[in-house]
Amino acid sequence: EVQLVESGGGLVQPGRSLRLSCTASGFTFGDYGLSWVRQAPGKGLEWVGLIRSKDFAGTREYAASVKGRFTISRDDSKSVAYLQMNSLKTEDTAVYYCSRVVVVGATYAFDIWGQGTMVTVSS
Amino acid sequence: QSVLTQPPSVSGAPGQRVTISCTGSGSNIGANYDVHWYQQLPGTAPKLLISGNSNRPSGVPDRFSGSKSGTSASLAITGLQAEDEADYYCQSYDISLSGSVVFGGGTKLTVL
Repeated sequence: EVQLVESGGGLVQPGRSLRLSCTASGFTFGDYGLSWVRQAPGKGLEWVGLIRSKDFAGTREYAASVKGRFTISRDDSKSVAYLQMNSLKTEDTAVYYCSRVVVVGATYAFDIWGQGTMVTVSS
Repeated sequence: QSVLTQPPSVSGAPGQRVTISCTGSGSNIGANYDVHWYQQLPGTAPKLLISGNSNRPSGVPDRFSGSKSGTSASLAITGLQAEDEADYYCQSYDISLSGSVVFGGGTKLTVL
């Protein structure tokens, strides 16, 4: 079964750091890009960033709201992607989903999603 | 505000047809970037419903269809069923935001 499982969420104080993990199974992890999407309580989906596959040099893109604070990385040998979140703000409170990236035309779609992990930034 | 504009809510009775619009601009949908649609049932992760404007992934009923024209896209649901009650999001790419994936604000579908 093709699956993504997030972990690492929790309660963290403003200004601190947290690292989320996304563990994949059921497909060749290295062949795909991975993206992180978040959803604040009661709000819509917000794209956080993505990391491309090795075939595309593993390059990354980030949303303006997290650029410079968040870093996405991957370990293809372990089929895991990471989201390192630094200088966390209260507005980063959300459920964080990882998703598999598929290239459709000149865009990206997200065809497999994890169940999400909750991050709460509060003092 | 979201770069892609969706109505906050739509509703319909069982068996009816509803449409959800997604309005963008010349830097996203109008720049010929494809639109994708996601369904999010209450308390669950989003699910890819339509990709590349009008393509249904395996397992998605043909009651769901998508289209795109100019700077807008639409999701149509025919033969509305109670299980279709969910939030729906459109998604595309925007060239004005240093290369960025963008989502619509989401539309809550209520089956009356």
